[in-house]
Amino acid sequence: EAGVTQFPSHSVIEKGQTVTLRCDPISGHDNLYWYRRVMGKEIKFLLHFVKESKQDESGMPNNRFLAERTGGTYSTLKVQPAELEDSGVYFCASSQASPLNEQFFGPGTRLTVL
Amino acid sequence: QQPVQSPQAVILREGEDAVINCSSSKALYSVHWYRQKHGEAPVFLMILLKGGEQKGHEKISASFNEKKQQSSLYLTASQLSYSGTYFCGTEVTGKLIFGQGTTLQVKP
Repeated sequence: EAGVTQFPSHSVIEKGQTVTLRCDPISGHDNLYWYRRVMGKEIKFLLHFVKESKQDESGMPNNRFLAERTGGTYSTLKVQPAELEDSGVYFCASSQASPLNEQFFGPGTRLTVL
Repeated sequence: QQPVQSPQAVILREGEDAVINCSSSKALYSVHWYRQKHGEAPVFLMILLKGGEQKGHEKISASFNEKKQQSSLYLTASQLSYSGTYFCGTEVTGKLIFGQGTTLQVKP
């Protein structure tokens, strides 16, 4: 069974540019989460999809971040325009129906904003 | 709301034991433990549920103290492969709120 995949693995952009991160969850997992880890700090929740619906987006930093999950399958997270403080590793995770199930994390996308 | 982990960092020799604590100011219903190695995805270790039993995975086990609102992760006879950052996460309305992490380094 394929795990959670994320693309790209690394992205280096300049301040003001746009970047789109993609996450493909494990097939059949209704729950999809985005997290971010800034160097040396905690893994911070961004948002939670249940199928194609946003269940909780309380962790999204501001309106420069837009997440979508087309047809309840893969998800994208767009940052526009990117700021220096957006740098970090963005993780996607997925889980089966119950939120108390294990969340399977992807390898992350390391975003560097110069 | 964020759980607090202690200690922040631990350095061990192979074969030594370690305990990592995770405390919350709010009532805990479940605690998830993950380990992340540098540059890799966080990997699930175990879930502790309120009222549940102590869990174990090989030489890594954990407990859940409801009264103290605390979970502890026990690493016994540590191996080099145990090195990494350990995170506890508390489940809040379906999402995980993680502690700041405990960096564990096991030396030969």
